[in-house]
Amino acid sequence: GENVEQHPSTLSVQEGDSAVIKCTYSDSASNYFPWYKQELGKRPQLIIDIRSNVGEKKDQRIAVTLNKTAKHFSLHITETQPEDSAVYFCAASGGTSYGKLTFGQGTILTVHP
Amino acid sequence: DGGITQSPKYLFRKEGQNVTLSCEQNLNHDAMYWYRQDPGQGLRLIYYSQIVNDFQKGDIAEGYSVSREKKESFPLTVTSAQKNPTAFYLCASSSTGGRNEQFFGPGTRLTVL
Repeated sequence: GENVEQHPSTLSVQEGDSAVIKCTYSDSASNYFPWYKQELGKRPQLIIDIRSNVGEKKDQRIAVTLNKTAKHFSLHITETQPEDSAVYFCAASGGTSYGKLTFGQGTILTVHP
Repeated sequence: DGGITQSPKYLFRKEGQNVTLSCEQNLNHDAMYWYRQDPGQGLRLIYYSQIVNDFQKGDIAEGYSVSREKKESFPLTVTSAQKNPTAFYLCASSSTGGRNEQFFGPGTRLTVL
């Protein structure tokens, strides 16, 4: 089955800096890669996703890039704000994992004012 | 935050007891999922169902059971065979299996006394 590795496990940045979280996946047939944000005590919510026919996708201050050859994808947050502090999860789906998501271990992002 | 609900929010269980966690959605989604969340381990899939009266084991199904008798409902039973059941349990649903956004419920925190 699919295996997703996520790094780093914790990330601390100053307000206004950029943050990058990276994930690798094992199943070359995976074709859907969402990112979820989970604030403390709340449910995970989708913030951006990318499909395998696209290399990059942006939504205001967040962007995701996908390198299918290397089997990795990354989340980029620019101009970070304290409210960006949360746990971020990457996930992969498709191929042998069709019908379900395999999540990474999560990254705790802390943005210091 | 409406659409998918879980109850109860907190649940305490004595060792050796079975307990059932409720998950209901009114989003008309075909697919539903149960995840377990432990610190530092991300979201691990317990069971998922892509259609009524059908479900599949996820990565950590041992000690758990589910049913899917109605489209709206996907209850999870934590049996006494689950050796370490204390965790945060999240239910999710999506419109089709795997490649669309999963919407999460608020979660149930289970503690074994």
